[in-house]
Amino acid sequence: SAVISQKPSRDICQRGTSLTIQCQVDSQVTMMFWYRQQPGQSLTLIATANQGSEATYESGFVIDKFPISRPNLTFSTLTVSNMSPEDSSIYLCSVVGTDNYGYTFGSGTRLTVV
Amino acid sequence: LAKTTQPISMDSYEGQEVNITCSHNNIATNDYITWYQQFPSQGPRFIIQGYKTKVTNEVASLFIPADRKSSTLSLPRVSLSDTAVYYCLVGEGFKTIFGAGTRLFVKA
Repeated sequence: SAVISQKPSRDICQRGTSLTIQCQVDSQVTMMFWYRQQPGQSLTLIATANQGSEATYESGFVIDKFPISRPNLTFSTLTVSNMSPEDSSIYLCSVVGTDNYGYTFGSGTRLTVV
Repeated sequence: LAKTTQPISMDSYEGQEVNITCSHNNIATNDYITWYQQFPSQGPRFIIQGYKTKVTNEVASLFIPADRKSSTLSLPRVSLSDTAVYYCLVGEGFKTIFGAGTRLFVKA
């Protein structure tokens, strides 16, 4: 299955600033997905990122707050903009597994906003 | 997307078989059932996927009755390292919605 490298693994940021999270996959994939997992909660899909097109956002998430780039088939970034303490979460990227068999997830970025 | 319902938490002891049942009454004809495992500070890990009857791999078994309105993940002889959150997902295509999951705690 694909191997995902996600950076940074954790960060502490000041409110009002922005953080860009990188997701690198060791193989070419059509779709990449970004999730948020708030402390003690399940995962919530933020958006789907396709190479060469605008990301598709889920209800409650907007491009101005979570801009996504997908410059090629192995890389994507998620930016958390104008952060507030409510943005403190784990952010994870994922891709469809080999032969469309389940999903592979990165290890996540633990973000704390102070 | 079909909604899933799982127990919030379960306790077990090392060496026991653990069965976690997931209800998905509104499962659609084309939906598959997939289970993930998540350890603290890690992303979810794919465990097993099935459509009907029984599926078994080196990690677990998945039992799906004929009406497909529920499924049971079976973990044989659990160890302390199986302490994790287990998620049941139902759907087709590329949109994955996670439910609340079941927090399994394995005791010595």
